[in-house]
Amino acid sequence: GENVEQHPSTLSVQEGDSAVIKCTYSDSASNYFPWYKQELGKRPQLIIDIRSNVGEKKDQRIAVTLNKTAKHFSLHITETQPEDSAVYFCAASRGTYKYIFGTGTRLKVLA
Amino acid sequence: DTAVSQTPKYLVTQMGNDKSIKCEQNLGHDTMYWYKQDSKKFLKIMFSYNNKELIINETVPNRFSPKSPDKAHLNLHINSLELGDSAVYFCASSQSRESYEQYFGPGTRLTVT
Repeated sequence: GENVEQHPSTLSVQEGDSAVIKCTYSDSASNYFPWYKQELGKRPQLIIDIRSNVGEKKDQRIAVTLNKTAKHFSLHITETQPEDSAVYFCAASRGTYKYIFGTGTRLKVLA
Repeated sequence: DTAVSQTPKYLVTQMGNDKSIKCEQNLGHDTMYWYKQDSKKFLKIMFSYNNKELIINETVPNRFSPKSPDKAHLNLHINSLELGDSAVYFCASSQSRESYEQYFGPGTRLTVT
């Protein structure tokens, strides 16, 4: 069935370093890939998304890359700051209403 | 000014009880969702309604019944609560035709004792 694998499950980086989180999806018909950030005790919030007709998208310190052939997409955070510490979720959707979420990555940015 | 709101924020109840969680969105969206987030933080879709019509119904026990009285509201009723129902339940909404982005509510932490 539909599945999204996300790695790593936890990631610790020094402040100012980069962080990369990777996801692999199984449904080749997926065409929309959002990334959500969830701070402790808060709701998930969209931070960036990419559609299948684009290979890369950037928004200030965050970027997402998509490799449709390999069914991989990745989140890149540069110049990490303590406020980037949170759980990050990737998701894949085939353009319907249904998201399949990854299992989440707990990012800790060490000051 | 809250976009997606849920009540209650916390719910503590005993096994066997019946409880409801309410969700309202003021974004004018036509699609609403219920997700369950377990203790390992895994987010799983349960139900989705589009214009009051059920469009996603995942493998969820029959004890869970969603109801959408109108496009702006989606409630979740749970019968005969079990220990394993303890989780955070998130409501979300999206505007199906213009954007795939889903906006989440603040969540309801349900604890079954």
